Amino acid sequence: GNSVTQMEGPVTLSEEAFLTINCTYTATGYPSLFWYVQYPGEGLQLLLKATKADDKGSNKGFEATYRKETTSFHLEKGSVQVSDSAVYFCALSAMYSGGGADGLTFGKGTHLIIQP
Amino acid sequence: GAGVSQTPSNKVTEKGKYVELRCDPISGHTALYWYRQSLGQGPEFLIYFQGTGAADDSGLPNDRFFAVRPEGSVSTLKIQRTERGDSAVYLCASSLSTRQNTGELFFGEGSRLTVL
Repeated sequence: GNSVTQMEGPVTLSEEAFLTINCTYTATGYPSLFWYVQYPGEGLQLLLKATKADDKGSNKGFEATYRKETTSFHLEKGSVQVSDSAVYFCALSAMYSGGGADGLTFGKGTHLIIQP
Repeated sequence: GAGVSQTPSNKVTEKGKYVELRCDPISGHTALYWYRQSLGQGPEFLIYFQGTGAADDSGLPNDRFFAVRPEGSVSTLKIQRTERGDSAVYLCASSLSTRQNTGELFFGEGSRLTVL
């Protein structure tokens, strides 16, 4: 079945540090890939997405590239800020994710803590 | 507000009791999803509605769980004879259409259920 594996947290960094959160996936067919973010006290919200191999999703200084050969979608940011502190979820949508074409399979989440 | 609204935000109940959780999706969104998020885990798919009908209920863990969406808008997740293992955050999400496969689900803040 479909699954997503992402690095365990918490990840603690200093402000302006470089961020990588690893994500790999297993899926039937050709999935779309996503990063969702959950800020404290808020609901999950879409951060970025990529729908086919070699696509790069980007938003708010974050980037992730869909790598079919390594089945990966690692999240990166060149210089993190305190306001980036949140829980980040890697996810995919594909056949058999549950919920039609938009249904998502999530990783366990990575708690990111940025210290001033 | 214009977002997905979930009530109650917190529910504490005793083992064996019946619970209803409500979701009010974004106006005009035809697709509605329920997910369950246990502590330290990513959201897990429960059930998906397209309009009034449950298009995919493969994620419901057993027959104590049931959900309805009688008028194609508000949905209620119903849990009978609650057990301590049902304690989790129940997330609702909506989207415009599954045909577009955009993967952008709009999530509510969740209903935290605690079964004592």
